[in-house]
Amino acid sequence: AQTVTQSQPEMSVQEAETVTLSCTYDTSESDYYLFWYKQPPSRQMILVIRQEAYKQQNATENRFSVNFQKAAKSFSLKISDSQLGDAAMYFCAYRSAGWQGGKLIFGQGTELSVKP
Amino acid sequence: EPEVTQTPSHQVTQMGQEVILRCVPISNHLYFYWYRQILGQKVEFLVSFYNNEISEKSEIFDDQFSVERPDGSNFTLKIRSTKLEDSAMYFCASREQLYYGYTFGSGTRLTVV
Repeated sequence: AQTVTQSQPEMSVQEAETVTLSCTYDTSESDYYLFWYKQPPSRQMILVIRQEAYKQQNATENRFSVNFQKAAKSFSLKISDSQLGDAAMYFCAYRSAGWQGGKLIFGQGTELSVKP
Repeated sequence: EPEVTQTPSHQVTQMGQEVILRCVPISNHLYFYWYRQILGQKVEFLVSFYNNEISEKSEIFDDQFSVERPDGSNFTLKIRSTKLEDSAMYFCASREQLYYGYTFGSGTRLTVV
């Protein structure tokens, strides 16, 4: 069974600085998708970024980028120029690429606080 | 932008009562999901639904739980006899194609007293 681990329960960053959130996963599959979701205090789940395992190029969405290391099974999220609105819980998630219903497997989450 | 709508946003129920959580997925989406998040914990998969039947379910999704898509638009999660430990945030999600991203609803906070 696949597992996702986020080893940092809490992280803090100064406004305008850069922060990296860690995620590792365990799978025997070669094709899969990885996601980062943001959950603000409203508890809405918002997709931040996604990465296809077959792509070597790291995904980027504006100030958000990932460092995808397939061999190491690592998928970290870098937030550049952090803003107060980035404060939230961040979840890393895994999904098999094959047809198995497509469930997401989530990590435990990292609570990010942004200091003004 | 299309949204997944969940109602109610908050429901309080007595232990042992039945509850139905409702979701309206995005109209052209084909895959539907329910997830649960106990306060302060990670988001857990409950069930996936495709082509009017359950495609996968977790160990949490026991006989007390059921899902239905009664009229082609709504997608419901029923808990037959609620327990205190069912208190959680329940998220509905939908997806258009197998390889597309998910859209989550804003959740229903269920409190069992």
